[in-house]
Amino acid sequence: GQQLNQSPQSMFIQEGEDVSMNCTSSSIFNTWLWYKQDPGEGPVLLIALYKAGELTSNGRLTAQFGITRKDSFLNISASIPSDVGIYFCVIGGTSYGKLTFGQGTILTVHP
Amino acid sequence: SAVISQKPSRDICQRGTSLTIQCQVDSQVTMMFWYRQQPGQSLTLIATANQGSEATYESGFVIDKFPISRPNLTFSTLTVSNMSPEDSSIYLCSVDHGRTEAFFGQGTRLTVV
Repeated sequence: GQQLNQSPQSMFIQEGEDVSMNCTSSSIFNTWLWYKQDPGEGPVLLIALYKAGELTSNGRLTAQFGITRKDSFLNISASIPSDVGIYFCVIGGTSYGKLTFGQGTILTVHP
Repeated sequence: SAVISQKPSRDICQRGTSLTIQCQVDSQVTMMFWYRQQPGQSLTLIATANQGSEATYESGFVIDKFPISRPNLTFSTLTVSNMSPEDSSIYLCSVDHGRTEAFFGQGTRLTVV
């Protein structure tokens, strides 16, 4: 089946620092999504990418769809305590609801 | 956006019993999905809940263990049958609202003792 390799597994940073995480795959995909899961909640979509090379921002978050269509990264600038959570790279299937999740990056932000 | 309510939000169950989880959406949706998130793990798709027909299960998941109902376009249930401690997970309902994102419920945290 489809497999995503997401790294790093976890990050411990100081408030104000920038964060970068990425995801790679051996297969080509047409859609890359980034979700965040807060403790005790379901995942929420942060950014959706649909074209190779696409660079999209959502506030302090920036994500890019790799030119090869096999990778994506997510950057968070000037982190704040509420950025704490698990970040997942995700690829879509035949339906946007039928998703394959990466292993997740656990982000901890120290005030 | 879609608002998804799951019940119960958490439960502790005895092994060998079954638990039915409900998922209610505030609008009609075509596709509903059930995911499992084992402790410290990512989300894995269990099945697609089809309205008017049997659910479509992913590899490794079977109807006898995870029967699913979809009586209408706003509601679905997932039953975890004959539970064992290995079934302790968060179970999440998701909907494809026909747009560019999937919406998730808050999840049901199940502990089997």
